[in-house]
Amino acid sequence: EVQLVESGGGLVQPGGSLRLSCAGYGFTFSGYAMHWVRQAPGQGLEYVSGIDSNGDRTYYANSLKGRFSISRDNSKNTLYLQVGSLRVEDMAVYYCARGGFASPMFDGWGQGTLVTVSS
Amino acid sequence: DIQMTQSPSSLSASIGDRVTITCRASQTISTYLNWYQQKPGKAPNLLIYAESILQSGVPSRFSGSGSGTDFTLTITSLQPEDFATYYCQQSYRTPPTFGGGTKVEIK
Repeated sequence: EVQLVESGGGLVQPGGSLRLSCAGYGFTFSGYAMHWVRQAPGQGLEYVSGIDSNGDRTYYANSLKGRFSISRDNSKNTLYLQVGSLRVEDMAVYYCARGGFASPMFDGWGQGTLVTVSS
Repeated sequence: DIQMTQSPSSLSASIGDRVTITCRASQTISTYLNWYQQKPGKAPNLLIYAESILQSGVPSRFSGSGSGTDFTLTITSLQPEDFATYYCQQSYRTPPTFGGGTKVEIK
């Protein structure tokens, strides 16, 4: 069974930074592309970023380029999202998800980690 | 980015009703269209991928159709566990994008 466990969320001041993590279990982590999707309180799903199975190729939502950086460590079965220059509008639950890279559909999701941006 | 527009944004329905949700893409996406169900406080769950293929374990009352720019999710006989928010998502071009969601509520 695919299990994804996010961590690293919390309260951060505007302008601050965080590194989110997502550990994968129950599947061959290094064989799958991985993604981040976020959801602001009471809002819909917003795609953030994806990375291929080797960590060689990445892409981002155009509105988020420059402040977010996705990476992975297949030796630790872990996905990361470095988020910088945080804004109030970045406040959301951040989900990691398993999916393809070229045409991603997301067939496994974590429970999410909440990022709160407030002074 | 490809824009995905869902309608309606919400609907009220009764147990046993037939429910239809539509999703329109801002450009053709062939059949690269996926549907998710999300219940309050939970992560989304993949229902249908490639326009009409049911994910393993999804009841057959769910079906998807369409191609090009216009797509439909149909629930043939609404059950109590189907009250949730549904999202479409295109996987034709990266970055993938989601529709705004359709909340299905109890009438």
